[in-house]
Amino acid sequence: ETGVTQSPTHLIKTRGQQVTLRCSSQSGHNTVSWYQQALGQGPQFIFQYYREEENGRGNFPPRFSGLQFPNYSSELNVNALELDDSALYLCASSSDTGQLQYFGPGTRLTVL
Amino acid sequence: GEDVEQSLFLSVREGDSSVINCTYTDSSSTYLYWYKQEPGAGLQLLTYIFSNMDMKQDQRLTVLLNKKDKHLSLRIADTQTGDSAIYFCAESGESDYKLSFGAGTTVTVRA
Repeated sequence: ETGVTQSPTHLIKTRGQQVTLRCSSQSGHNTVSWYQQALGQGPQFIFQYYREEENGRGNFPPRFSGLQFPNYSSELNVNALELDDSALYLCASSSDTGQLQYFGPGTRLTVL
Repeated sequence: GEDVEQSLFLSVREGDSSVINCTYTDSSSTYLYWYKQEPGAGLQLLTYIFSNMDMKQDQRLTVLLNKKDKHLSLRIADTQTGDSAIYFCAESGESDYKLSFGAGTTVTVRA
């Protein structure tokens, strides 16, 4: 069974740029959730995708957007990057919006 | 998360038991979880408990839930150096798709 994978591992961008992060869900899972974890804090929910539709969103501005593809993999896009967007971005997969979410290793984004 | 609170640090001697505590505010929470995060890594789901349960045991891990006081604890028996990590308490509601996390408890195991 393949676990959740994310790419890239690390990324450095400058303020104002755009970034795309990628996530492949665990085999058999059709739901992907994205979280932002700032240094020293717990993860904060960004949004969830189920069957290629956004299924819920946390308190993040519209410049955070996402996609889910027919194979259930997902992308997180962030436009107009700000310094405070520097964080570990975590993707989690689950089955049918179920509440057991399994996390990938994360993408560390640094905005300079 | 503002709805889940944990103490920030715990130091324990190798071989002793560790107890990590968590309080939550949402009375409609149906699932409560413990995740482990090692340095530079993602979150590993350690265990979870349904809100209609009082206790769950899984090898060295024991979860206790006091729903009246909205208090959750994780006991790790025979703590090992590999247990050094940050432990996150999280909750989700019955119709809720998101996990709400605490700030994490850093557990340090000393020889």
